[in-house]
Amino acid sequence: DAKTTQPNSMESNEEEPVHLPCNHSTISGTDYIHWYRQLPSQGPEYVIHGLTSNVNNRMASLAIAEDRKSSTLILHRATLRDAAVYYCILRDLGAGSYQLTFGKGTKLSVIP
Amino acid sequence: NAGVTQTPKFQVLKTGQSMTLQCAQDMNHNSMYWYRQDPGMGLRLIYYSASEGTTDKGEVPNGYNVSRLNKREFSLRLESAAPSQTSVYFCASSEDKVNTEAFFGQGTRLTVV
Repeated sequence: DAKTTQPNSMESNEEEPVHLPCNHSTISGTDYIHWYRQLPSQGPEYVIHGLTSNVNNRMASLAIAEDRKSSTLILHRATLRDAAVYYCILRDLGAGSYQLTFGKGTKLSVIP
Repeated sequence: NAGVTQTPKFQVLKTGQSMTLQCAQDMNHNSMYWYRQDPGMGLRLIYYSASEGTTDKGEVPNGYNVSRLNKREFSLRLESAAPSQTSVYFCASSEDKVNTEAFFGQGTRLTVV
């Protein structure tokens, strides 16, 4: 399985933009880049995904490097509710399953 | 729209007891998954089911059994609970595509004493 590397933790001030990096140097051409987040005491929730082009949705933006070996999740204005663990995951049809393989993620702290 | 529903939310077991964790989804998804999450760790896949009647082992299947009762329900059974199985258990479901999102339940916090 292709793996991802993320910083263990990051801090941001409230109402400022946050850039969460992810390295995935062994990504294959068919891997989709997914981001999930897990708020305290909750199950993971989907944030965004992309293949090659940058993506925007109501929660965040995803910037994907041209060589696809890294990506950045962008929260445009961090709020206290964005404090969570963010997981960068490569998803492909490995072993006949659409499973998500989680690493340890990045714990984002938001400072009021 | 309920999404993925897990029961119970909390459970305390004695070593050697058995129990079944229930999971149901109302999104007509073929794929369902059981994960466990230990403190400070990411989620690890226990078992998954690609369709009704099929199940396969994930990364950490030892000590667990699963049943895909129908398309909606996927249960996880601990036949003889051990303290090492103290964890938070998450059920998830998704469509059969790599470019769509997966949906997770709220988790079952299990303590084995």
